[in-house]
Amino acid sequence: DAGVTQSPTHLIKTRGQQVTLRCSPKSGHDTVSWYQQALGQGPQFIFQYYEEEERQRGNFPDRFSGHQFPNYSSELNVNALLLGDSALYLCASSRGTVYGYTFGSGTRLTVV
Amino acid sequence: AQTVTQSQPEMSVQEAETVTLSCTYDTSESDYYLFWYKQPPSRQMILVIRQEAYKQQNATENRFSVNFQKAAKSFSLKISDSQLGDAAMYFCAYRSNYQLIWGAGTKLIIKP
Repeated sequence: DAGVTQSPTHLIKTRGQQVTLRCSPKSGHDTVSWYQQALGQGPQFIFQYYEEEERQRGNFPDRFSGHQFPNYSSELNVNALLLGDSALYLCASSRGTVYGYTFGSGTRLTVV
Repeated sequence: AQTVTQSQPEMSVQEAETVTLSCTYDTSESDYYLFWYKQPPSRQMILVIRQEAYKQQNATENRFSVNFQKAAKSFSLKISDSQLGDAAMYFCAYRSNYQLIWGAGTKLIIKP
């Protein structure tokens, strides 16, 4: 039973560039959430997708956008990258919201 | 706004001993969920234990148990018979609507 799969695992980008991160949820899960985890900190909620719609958004600028596909997979897009966007980006999937979330191993984004 | 505080940046315990990690939170809600997650060097967040606020009974999962004090807004994690594989960052999280709000984490070191 495949868990949550994220790609790529590592990524290096230059300031001002755009990046797309991908997430495939665990089988049977229909909800995908994205988190940003800066070094030495707890994760910060970016947004959650359900039924291909953004259901809730955290305190992140519009440079952060996402998408959910009919097969429940999701993408996180970040435009005009800043040095401060360097972080581990975690994807979490769930079936509804009552149960715990299953996380992927994340994408380590470095902006230089 | 809800907040989660983990006041112990680092804890160490002798193998086979018991250790307790602290977590406090602030909320005006009466019904909510609390979680403890473990993040090993592999970066994947792994659910350790979950507690529903409406349940008076403390949750247990094998060697892991919680001490949930709703009035005090305290949610500590007790790990019994500590094993080398328990070494990791431990995060306390509160579910608010569709997002998880996280503490800063506690690094747990197991001494052989």
